[in-house]
Amino acid sequence: KAGVTQTPRYLIKTRGQQVTLSCSPISGHRSVSWYQQTPGQGLQFLFEYFSETQRNKGNFPGRFSGRQFSNSRSEMNVSTLELGDSALYLCASLNHGQVGETQYFGPGTRLLVL
Amino acid sequence: GENVEQHPSTLSVQEGDSAVIKCTYSDSASNYFPWYKQELGKGPQLIIDIRSNVGEKKDQRIAVTLNKTAKHFSLHITETQPEDSAVYFCAASTSGTYKYIFGTGTRLKVLA
Repeated sequence: KAGVTQTPRYLIKTRGQQVTLSCSPISGHRSVSWYQQTPGQGLQFLFEYFSETQRNKGNFPGRFSGRQFSNSRSEMNVSTLELGDSALYLCASLNHGQVGETQYFGPGTRLLVL
Repeated sequence: GENVEQHPSTLSVQEGDSAVIKCTYSDSASNYFPWYKQELGKGPQLIIDIRSNVGEKKDQRIAVTLNKTAKHFSLHITETQPEDSAVYFCAASTSGTYKYIFGTGTRLKVLA
């Protein structure tokens, strides 16, 4: 099976712009989670989707949003970018998102905001 | 709020020695504790996990222990090898929340 793919891998934006990141989970997996990874904060949970429904979200401002499509692919959007949004954005794929299932991470999208 | 503390932040050991990384969680309802290894340029990869109804689990050179009363869990790597050098993350999750709370990571260096 192909792994989790994320596009693009690298992105440079300027403050005030918006960005959309994409994640394709492992075939057959219906749960996709997004995390922000920074050196100071580690991995912080953004949101989780299952069958196009958001089941949980983390403590991020409303500028961070996401969605999931019927084929389980997911996108996250960050509007009005700030310097502090520079980070590695990781998505993770699970079968149903139940506790105990193995969570498979993609390689991430590295976003730099100038 | 929910929190997972992880120590140490960096750890250097000689090849062949053991390494121990410790985590403490705050949510007593947490019932699943995975450990991840992240190598440069890659996403985290699951290396071992433990559920709250088990006290210890071992997989070759890697073991995890859980103390529910103290809300501590630890990763033990024996006979360390240079390829064990990476950043290790602990995490905690609770049934029905569909999210994982991660520790801040430990950078392990195995010196040849």
